[in-house]
Amino acid sequence: RKEVEQDPGPFNVPEGATVAFNCTYSNSASQSFFWYRQDCRKEPKLLMSVYSSGNEDGRFTAQLNRASQYISLLIRDSKLSDSATYLCVVNDWNDKIIFGKGTRLHILP
Amino acid sequence: EAGVVQSPRYKIIEKKQPVAFWCNPISGHNTLYWYLQNLGQGPELLIRYENEEAVDDSQLPKDRFSAERLKGVDSTLKIQPAELGDSAVYLCASSLGRGQSYEQYFGPGTRLTVT
Repeated sequence: RKEVEQDPGPFNVPEGATVAFNCTYSNSASQSFFWYRQDCRKEPKLLMSVYSSGNEDGRFTAQLNRASQYISLLIRDSKLSDSATYLCVVNDWNDKIIFGKGTRLHILP
Repeated sequence: EAGVVQSPRYKIIEKKQPVAFWCNPISGHNTLYWYLQNLGQGPELLIRYENEEAVDDSQLPKDRFSAERLKGVDSTLKIQPAELGDSAVYLCASSLGRGQSYEQYFGPGTRLTVT
């Protein structure tokens, strides 16, 4: 099992729809989790930290499921501007930092 | 507040030539990272600094890659000699430190093409 896995997509979703994708991790001792967004030919930008209790920021909701070892990102009322690649990041107990390969999202008009 | 600054933004060199990249992190950020990103892949960590100390360089190909962070602020990453397979985007990031402070902020990257 890879350390951090994401469905590469692409997810083609009509504007206004809700979309969710997951990121699984193999190390049960992982400590910190994040979602980043990366636009084409741009640098990754922090979208959200993922807390144990879950967190919400506007249309975006992140959840952590430690039992099943995955984090999720849900986007409600999707906008054209949400089209991007979404990267998950896992930091494990010895500070090893691992990025997933990303999930591509295309919002269709 | 100024973000992470990297230079150059683009570099084209012939194989076997040396190349260097420079990064200035966000002021006050103790942790600095260098990543390599190939097309369609996530960033792969090359080296992480806590202040001046390289605390994780396990993925740095030390036969040709070197890095330094003098005075715990700016950092340079060097490749000598470059190979065709080194063509990629080299990203620098910084963060305050540990835990949730691992929230990383990235520079625009240096796009390296080795011909």
